[in-house]
Amino acid sequence: EVQVMESGGGLVKPGGSLRLSCAASGFTFYTYTMNWVRQAPGKGLEWVSSISSTSNYIYYADSVKGRFTISRDNAKNSLFLHMNSLRAEDTAVYYCASSRYYDSSDNFDYWGQGTLVTVSS
Amino acid sequence: SSDLTQDPAVSVALGQTVRITCQGDSLRNFYTSWYQQKPGQAPLLVIYGQNNRPSGIPDRFSGSASGNTASLTITGAQAEDEADYYCNSRDTSGIHLVVFGTGTKVTVL
Repeated sequence: EVQVMESGGGLVKPGGSLRLSCAASGFTFYTYTMNWVRQAPGKGLEWVSSISSTSNYIYYADSVKGRFTISRDNAKNSLFLHMNSLRAEDTAVYYCASSRYYDSSDNFDYWGQGTLVTVSS
Repeated sequence: SSDLTQDPAVSVALGQTVRITCQGDSLRNFYTSWYQQKPGQAPLLVIYGQNNRPSGIPDRFSGSASGNTASLTITGAQAEDEADYYCNSRDTSGIHLVVFGTGTKVTVL
């Protein structure tokens, strides 16, 4: 059974930092690209960052570039997101999701239930 | 802002057919995937690539594409299909970047 579970969310003040973690099991984690996708309250999905299976390729949305850092540990089937200089607009549920590029599309197939990050003074 | 535009909301009578569209320039070069999201739940992949359904997704869901528009069709909509639906593709400003559509709320009457 596939399981993806995020942790580390919480309330943080503007300008603060937070580290999200994602633990995965039930699939060959080390073969998948992994992603963070967020959803602000009442809003749509926003892709945040991706990291290739061997960490060779890392990409960020413009909205978080220079502030967030994605990393992974394939030995522990884990994904991380270090978030610095947090802003109110970073408030969202953060999802960890695996993806594969197949048939000319990015397919986000396994998702966690998300962890809520609230940036507020 | 998203490079992929969807109608904000559509409604469909129970058992009827509804088509949801996703428009964007990147769709001329890439297929999209479609995701269903119910309140309080994580998104669920329902269609990927040209027209592929993951295991467990009912065959009433199908996908198609033409030019800069991709479509998700639900043939014989059921009450449990009421949800938000999102498409995704690559960002026109950076080919390695991913973008999600604005989302469509489907209401089953």
